[in-house]
Amino acid sequence: DAKTTQPPSMDCAEGRAANLPCNHSTISGNEYVYWYRQIHSQGPQYIIHGLKNNETNEMASLIITEDRKSSTLILPHATLRDTAVYYCIVRGPTNRDDKIIFGKGTRLHILP
Amino acid sequence: EAGVAQSPRYKIIEKRQSVAFWCNPISGHATLYWYQQILGQGPKLLIQFQNNGVVDDSQLPKDRFSAERLKGVDSTLKIQPAKLEDSAVYLCASSFFQHRYSPLHFGNGTRLTVT
Repeated sequence: DAKTTQPPSMDCAEGRAANLPCNHSTISGNEYVYWYRQIHSQGPQYIIHGLKNNETNEMASLIITEDRKSSTLILPHATLRDTAVYYCIVRGPTNRDDKIIFGKGTRLHILP
Repeated sequence: EAGVAQSPRYKIIEKRQSVAFWCNPISGHATLYWYQQILGQGPKLLIQFQNNGVVDDSQLPKDRFSAERLKGVDSTLKIQPAKLEDSAVYLCASSFFQHRYSPLHFGNGTRLTVT
């Protein structure tokens, strides 16, 4: 079973920041948080990952709470092309734990 | 770099027939995964290879599904015989093993319809 909980859907106006929450209250100290997204008829696409510190790349920012029990993916200026299903995943550090288990994700609708 | 290649893109078969899917991972990626994605759900891991060895096949229905990765590069996933409930998108992904936390790169999948 997936170790994360996400809202099933969200709306965001084009040009605004999209903030996607994820709960991972059972995360252990050496597990990473990964985000992927899946645009219709395509395979999932890697966005970003982090352990403790906030991370930023050209696609998004990842904010992880101090207790690491939740995180937020931020798309700073959402466009219509960001409409997709977003998956938050917890991934362990060892071979035994290295399973990327997808939940149902959050379906993000960008509104024009 | 070239992405993960999968073929065919679409396949329609009748139940009890057999089908095979092919995957070519990104060059240099030692780890290869096959996922099954049923409509409306997240991808479900079927099997994971490290080079040409199986790391995890705990969720592969071995009575009808088989997979191989000869020479540690390309991989094929076979279903024989197919059932109606096998209708899904079959996704292949690869990652660079030496970077333990390297992300997975997915192909666009093969959409299988069993009638």
